[in-house]
Amino acid sequence: AQSVTQLGSHVSVSEGALVLLRCNYSSSVPPYLFWYVQYPNQGLQLLLKYTTGATLVKGINGFEAEFKKSETSFHLTKPSAHMSDAAEYFCAVKKAGGGYQKVTFGTGTKLQVIP
Amino acid sequence: DGGITQSPKYLFRKEGQNVTLSCEQNLNHDAMYWYRQDPGQGLRLIYYSQIVNDFQKGDIAEGYSVSREKKESFPLTVTSAQKNPTAFYLCASKGEGAREQYFGPGTRLTVT
Repeated sequence: AQSVTQLGSHVSVSEGALVLLRCNYSSSVPPYLFWYVQYPNQGLQLLLKYTTGATLVKGINGFEAEFKKSETSFHLTKPSAHMSDAAEYFCAVKKAGGGYQKVTFGTGTKLQVIP
Repeated sequence: DGGITQSPKYLFRKEGQNVTLSCEQNLNHDAMYWYRQDPGQGLRLIYYSQIVNDFQKGDIAEGYSVSREKKESFPLTVTSAQKNPTAFYLCASKGEGAREQYFGPGTRLTVT
């Protein structure tokens, strides 16, 4: 079975400060990992993904995440928060491989950016 | 513009009524999914379909039904058997060989 834990359901940062959203996963086989962003009453938008290769992954809007196998983590970071980053962020995991593989989502972290 | 459309954005129904949520995609994706989102619970899979005329139950299929008669369409019916139907419903699709799912804008269903 696979699972995702997002530490902190709410995170507040000041505008211009570092954003760090934590994600730990468990998977019995090599995983694919994703971060999605959701603005109020909207669908999810893919921020970035890790499949294979480079463990530091860059995404849209200045976000990046690093896959650390030894720590089973995939934390999301952004050097300088912007007001427009206020949203809910979801980490997700699926098993690598072909065919149908279920995606398991974390419970989300709401990011508040304080002016 | 390619994408996924869900209609309507907001839907209100009386308890005991069945209601159908629409999901259409023009991305030529084979796989489509329905998720339910409740505050603090993340996304839970209701049904998925990997190909036309075939679909499978997800983790919380009870009280829901789907059909997949066309590649681009995957409607979800919330039946009166669903005990807690009020939620935000998200449709997603995935292309062959892709790793990630693409999401529609969602439908917020309120049942009173």
